[in-house]
Amino acid sequence: GAGVSQTPSNKVTEKGKYVELRCDPISGHTALYWYRQSLGQGPEFLIYFQGTGAADDSGLPNDRFFAVRPEGSVSTLKIQRTERGDSAVYLCASSSDKNTEAFFGQGTRLTVV
Amino acid sequence: GDSVTQMEGPVTLSEEAFLTINCTYTATGYPSLFWYVQYPGEGLQLLLKATKADDKGSNKGFEATYRKETTSFHLEKGSVQVSDSAVYFCALSDRRDAGKSTFGDGTTLTVKP
Repeated sequence: GAGVSQTPSNKVTEKGKYVELRCDPISGHTALYWYRQSLGQGPEFLIYFQGTGAADDSGLPNDRFFAVRPEGSVSTLKIQRTERGDSAVYLCASSSDKNTEAFFGQGTRLTVV
Repeated sequence: GDSVTQMEGPVTLSEEAFLTINCTYTATGYPSLFWYVQYPGEGLQLLLKATKADDKGSNKGFEATYRKETTSFHLEKGSVQVSDSAVYFCALSDRRDAGKSTFGDGTTLTVKP
């Protein structure tokens, strides 16, 4: 597609469940970023991939959060044992390389009830 | 660590009014500065950027000048339109890692006809 695609657009899950959020970057973009945006706040960096490897995961809040990008294209953000505090919009962005600004997807709104 | 402080909103203006949204930053090193815009129901879009001191970024009638001496990057527009109603985010990144950004909390602008 032309832009960054994120699925699902909305996800409601029960506390304690496991969720996966998918990001399909712009074709050919090697750099991929995940952010989390809580209500009334700006996006916060979670993790950055260059190709298949996580080059910087310093923003992941704890070990319940994990992300993969096995073939250097699509990425999945995985959250185990979800908590109500995980409710937020999860944004994915991609760029052609780490020295150029990234393009954002529309996000996945996660609600943990 | 790095941080961005934005003028708190919401901001409500009449059409054709002058707009200023203040943004100041704290950063180690010499960051690149950005303004992003999020229109209702849409994803985050890059509005403009500046990569060195005294650079002026501009797009769609919006301007912002990189002021290193005051660590500021205020957004201005001479005559706003109803279609400018959106949330505006100021952000910075290391120039060697442009996709990993630190964002402000956003300022909601509503323009009334």
